[in-house]
Amino acid sequence: GAVVSQHPSRVICKSGTSVKIECRSLDFQATTMFWYRQFPKQSLMLMATSNEGSKATYEQGVEKDKFLINHASLTLSTLTVTSAHPEDSSFYICSARRGANNSPLHFGNGTRLTVT
Amino acid sequence: SQQGEEDPQALSIQEGENATMNCSYKTSINNLQWYRQNSGRGLVHLILIRSNEREKHSGRLRVTLDTSKKSSSLLITASRAADTASYFCATDRSNSGYALNFGKGTSLLVTP
Repeated sequence: GAVVSQHPSRVICKSGTSVKIECRSLDFQATTMFWYRQFPKQSLMLMATSNEGSKATYEQGVEKDKFLINHASLTLSTLTVTSAHPEDSSFYICSARRGANNSPLHFGNGTRLTVT
Repeated sequence: SQQGEEDPQALSIQEGENATMNCSYKTSINNLQWYRQNSGRGLVHLILIRSNEREKHSGRLRVTLDTSKKSSSLLITASRAADTASYFCATDRSNSGYALNFGKGTSLLVTP
């Protein structure tokens, strides 16, 4: 079946540094990928929609200069958390859809970011 | 926001029992999906029910959809310890590249 790979699974960084998270669709091409953020014991909140070859679409309240998204190919989207702060510590999950717009999403295994 | 809400927030049952989770949503939908998340992992798609369907089965899973009440339920029959996870309902949102809005989830604990 379709697989989405996300890397790294865990990362610890110091305040002020930047962290890049990669999301790859392994056996299909994804013109659109979605980045979600999840706080402990809470739901997933959509951060942005990553579009191959064009700018990402950010949800209201999400700082585009802080959460840089690049979707340079049909199989890779990256999320860079710039100048990370402790409040950015969270679980970040990417997802992609293999088929039509009403088909299920395939998720990566998430990245646990801890900013110290 | 179309974010759904599941209830109960947490459910604890014993192996062999059935688990029922409910989901409510706010706007019209094309379909409703249920996902499962093991602790610290990504989500796995379980089942999709279209807006013109009322009930759907997949193995030990049974999903119902009542569009007049804007609600859905997920029933897991003969639960197993391996069913322990969080379960989320999700509805589509046509204005964000067809991303999904997720409910708050039900945390299910199945004890042996």
